[in-house]
Amino acid sequence: QSALTQPASVSGSPGQSITISCTGTSSDVGGYNYVSWYQQHPGKAPKLMIYDVSGRPSGVSNRFSGSKSGNTASLTISGLQPEDEADYYCSSYTSSSTLFGSGTKVTVL
Amino acid sequence: QVRLQESGPGLVKPSETLSLTCAVSGFSISSGYYWGWIRQPPGKGLEWIGNIYHSGNTYYNPSLKSRVTISVDTSKSQFSLKLSSVTAADTAVYFCARRKYYDILTGYYTYFFDYWGQGTLVTVSS
Repeated sequence: QSALTQPASVSGSPGQSITISCTGTSSDVGGYNYVSWYQQHPGKAPKLMIYDVSGRPSGVSNRFSGSKSGNTASLTISGLQPEDEADYYCSSYTSSSTLFGSGTKVTVL
Repeated sequence: QVRLQESGPGLVKPSETLSLTCAVSGFSISSGYYWGWIRQPPGKGLEWIGNIYHSGNTYYNPSLKSRVTISVDTSKSQFSLKLSSVTAADTAVYFCARRKYYDILTGYYTYFFDYWGQGTLVTVSS
């Protein structure tokens, strides 16, 4: 099993919107609507930001949104804020297993 | 409030068995969720290790399956990880987490980790 493919880094200025991609195959991202996204600040545990492609947990800002097209899922952060600077990981279900993405470092310029 | 707390040795010798426990509080470990282990080598990404249901049903990462055992003790509200024949490549922060698989409100299946422990660093070294 290979990790899902994410860009190593994405950056943006405060107030801008950025999008992080997560590319898999028809056996994982493309085959199920079970893509989730996690935010991780240095030295901290991951925090669920998006579940089931586009669901947003209670307490997560509506500036975070998710979508999927074919084998690629995306996380969009609108109105970028300094506290959004962190690592982001996608995850997908695949035949009784779980895959994580390679991770994307988001930098707020 | 759901809380998960990992515990276990921070240093394990090569070829030995890594053993960790995750204590669950604020929620019944028998209440229809899976419980999982995820690890993160220093400076690297997340890797799923496996999940267990309170009934003992398990799912493992195929790449680790031959060395991994996850078990649950509902009486103590905890679940455990054993990883045998460890090498330096197994050095990582190990997280335990709660995995939701069914939404009672919608009647649909789902799949995500919603609560995580703080993580514990395990170093494999002689």
